[in-house]
Amino acid sequence: QKEVEQNSGPLSVPEGAIASLNCTYSDRGSQSFFWYRQYSGKSPELIMFIYSNGDKEDGRFTAQLNKASQYVSLLIRDSQPSDSATYLCAGFNDYKLSFGAGTTVTVRA
Amino acid sequence: ETGVTQTPRHLVMGMTNKKSLKCEQHLGHNAMYWYKQSAKKPLELMFVYNFKEQTENNSVPSRFSPECPNSSHLFLHLHTLQPEDSALYLCASSQMYRGAGELFFGEGSRLTVL
Repeated sequence: QKEVEQNSGPLSVPEGAIASLNCTYSDRGSQSFFWYRQYSGKSPELIMFIYSNGDKEDGRFTAQLNKASQYVSLLIRDSQPSDSATYLCAGFNDYKLSFGAGTTVTVRA
Repeated sequence: ETGVTQTPRHLVMGMTNKKSLKCEQHLGHNAMYWYKQSAKKPLELMFVYNFKEQTENNSVPSRFSPECPNSSHLFLHLHTLQPEDSALYLCASSQMYRGAGELFFGEGSRLTVL
């Protein structure tokens, strides 16, 4: 069983719409969760992290965590063409991050 | 220099060659990592060094040999690789403490094994 699984995508949304990305994890010991964005040919860069149940908002991004359901999500509001990238979900336990395979998002102008 | 820098950015090698990837972090972090990224697959953790001590080796073949001479530098020595080892190798660093884990990645070294 994969430690972190993401909806496979690809996900195509029109400009200005909400993009919804989902992630589930199997390790109940995971303490915090991270969303990274990776543009083609580039390295991952952190968007935001969350470690408490509930929602966390940062600009156009909202992360949601439900530890009982072992579920993490990322909402991108008012999607822009510059949001087109692969989004990686990762769970942190003890000293390492375990990554999902990523969801590729394309925002149509 | 800022952040995490990796060299070389691109490397092409034959299966009998010996080469090394280098990583340097300028963030004062105490942990460094090697990840492998292949197409359509999750990032695979290869090695973790925490305070220069190797704390994780995810069953990586011995043809990959890490070296961490100090908390700022990390190497990945490569020898007798296979074509399936072609991938993007990412170095990362973090300030390791319980409950957190933000990684800062380098730009990666794109490896092609012929």
